[in-house]
Amino acid sequence: DVKVTQSSRYLVKRTGEKVFLECVQDMDHENMFWYRQDPGLGLRLIYFSYDVKMKEKGDIPEGYSVSREKKERFSLILESASTNQTSMYLCASGETGGGGANVLTFGAGSRLTVL
Amino acid sequence: AQTVTQSQPEMSVQEAETVTLSCTYDTSENNYYLFWYKQPPSRQMILVIRQEAYKQQNATENRFSVNFQKAAKSFSLKISDSQLGDTAMYFCACYPFGNEKLTFGTGTRLTIIP
Repeated sequence: DVKVTQSSRYLVKRTGEKVFLECVQDMDHENMFWYRQDPGLGLRLIYFSYDVKMKEKGDIPEGYSVSREKKERFSLILESASTNQTSMYLCASGETGGGGANVLTFGAGSRLTVL
Repeated sequence: AQTVTQSQPEMSVQEAETVTLSCTYDTSENNYYLFWYKQPPSRQMILVIRQEAYKQQNATENRFSVNFQKAAKSFSLKISDSQLGDTAMYFCACYPFGNEKLTFGTGTRLTIIP
């Protein structure tokens, strides 16, 4: 089974802190994604990456950055956390192209609280 | 840009009944995939079913089936013989070819009542 592992299930941070959310996948997928999940808003795409060192902005990139130095690892960075970034963060990975691809495998999520 | 709309924030049905969750979408692409994902309480998001837009036949997976109306841009999910384990958030999603971006709806919280 494809596994997507998010390093932290629950985090509590202070306003202004730098926050790293780590995600690792073990199936050699080209694409990796970071979503934010909020009640009533569904999942919103923050950033995605289709290759090492490549990144693309999603729908809500403001206040976030990402890093993909290795194919299996995709990190989400909050340079200066704010209370409006309190949310559930979901990492996902998937293959490029059609056929059996395009199905995303999700991690368990990281629930971040910013005080 | 694509949009996905789920107009039913919450639904509940009795165990063993059939329930239909609604989804409409909009995309400028001709070729795309549509998905239903399920997120059980405190558990990971998993794929329920997938539909390729160029296939006219509706996808089915055991008790789960879709009603895909391409002209109306509608993609509803039918769950037959509902079970307690079907209790979850259900998200509809659209993935246009060549876009590599999966856009989700706001979700429907489904509760199966014993």
